Amino acid sequence: GNSVTQMEGPVTLSEEAFLTINCTYTATGYPSLFWYVQYPGEGLQLLLKATKADDKGSNKGFEATYRKETTSFHLEKGSVQVSDSAVYFCALRDGGSQGNLIFGKGTKLSVKP
Amino acid sequence: DAGVIQSPRHEVTEMGQEVTLRCKPISGHNSLFWYRQTMMRGLELLIYFNNNVPIDDSGMPEDRFSAKMPNASFSTLKIQPSEPRDSAVYFCASSPTGGSNQPQHFGDGTRLSIL
Repeated sequence: GNSVTQMEGPVTLSEEAFLTINCTYTATGYPSLFWYVQYPGEGLQLLLKATKADDKGSNKGFEATYRKETTSFHLEKGSVQVSDSAVYFCALRDGGSQGNLIFGKGTKLSVKP
Repeated sequence: DAGVIQSPRHEVTEMGQEVTLRCKPISGHNSLFWYRQTMMRGLELLIYFNNNVPIDDSGMPEDRFSAKMPNASFSTLKIQPSEPRDSAVYFCASSPTGGSNQPQHFGDGTRLSIL
């Protein structure tokens, strides 16, 4: 079945450090891939997405590239800020599904000033 | 534009009581999802609807949980009777159906505490 595996957190970085959160997936067909972010006390918000191989999603300085050969969708940011502290979820949506998303377990990021 | 609206934001009640959580999806979205989030189990899909019809309720933990979607603009998740282990944050999300590249839009959640 479809699944998403994320690196376990928590991840603690200093401000302006480089961020990578690993995500790999297992899926039949050609899924779309998403990163969601959850700030404390809030719901999940879409951060970025990619719908086919080699697509790069980007938003707010974050990037992730859909790598079909390695079944990965790693999240990166060149210089994190304290305001980036949140939980990040990787997710996939199978092309044949009726809308259901498969989420990873989430990775908590804490950025220290 | 209004996003997904959930009510109440917080609910504290005693075990054995009936709890009803409400969700208004984004207008025009015809898929609706109910999730539960806890520290121990993370984010779990409970049930989802397409065009007001329940598609997959395999995530509903037990018969004490029920969900309805009487029309395109409203859904409820009911727990009767409630138990302390039901304490969690419950999220509702909606999305347009049609195409795997459509993201889900989440509400701010209902934080439920069962004493």
